[in-house]
Amino acid sequence: EDQVTQSPEALRLQEGESSSLNCSYTVSGLRGLFWYRQDPGKGPEFLFTLYSAGEEKEKERLKATLTKKESFLHITAPKPEDSATYLCAVQTGGSQGNLIFGKGTKLSVKP
Amino acid sequence: NAGVTQTPKFQVLKTGQSMTLQCAQDMNHNSMYWYRQDPGMGLRLIYYSASEGTTDKGEVPNGYNVSRLNKREFSLRLESAAPSQTSVYFCASSEVWGGGFNQPQHFGDGTRLSIL
Repeated sequence: EDQVTQSPEALRLQEGESSSLNCSYTVSGLRGLFWYRQDPGKGPEFLFTLYSAGEEKEKERLKATLTKKESFLHITAPKPEDSATYLCAVQTGGSQGNLIFGKGTKLSVKP
Repeated sequence: NAGVTQTPKFQVLKTGQSMTLQCAQDMNHNSMYWYRQDPGMGLRLIYYSASEGTTDKGEVPNGYNVSRLNKREFSLRLESAAPSQTSVYFCASSEVWGGGFNQPQHFGDGTRLSIL
């Protein structure tokens, strides 16, 4: 069975304290891994797509990396406005383009 | 830059009532999706429409029906609402590249539905 597991469930950081969020997956034929940000009361907002092991993408203080078993979302020198829930999702070969989502990591950055 | 628009934003129903959630996208995407999001659970796919004129069941389709009205609009209907359907419902759309690889899905801001 295809599975996506995110850890930790919640993470509290001080402003400027860098850290990483993890997304591990067990799927049959990865076609893509997607990172989203979700603010309270809003829909998920697309951040990155990664397609193959070794690929990296960056956007401001965020950097996403991918291996054959997991993806990391690295947050460098976070600011309070980076506080949100970060969702990971995978598209598999058998899903007709559909995504399997993890439960998310809730990030809080304190000033 | 509306993107994906969902209506209504909030709704309270009584058990047994029916309701249709509306979704429209202005990005000319072929594929559209309905998800539900519950506390402690990831987003779960209810139904999807790969292209205009087609619909398919997702992970949790029981108790729901959908209609792909045209390329822009995809509605979700609860025929007889149950308390277990209390949730936040999200609509999304995406384009499909060749070989089944999707572009990212773009989401609306959700409908918060409570069933008493």
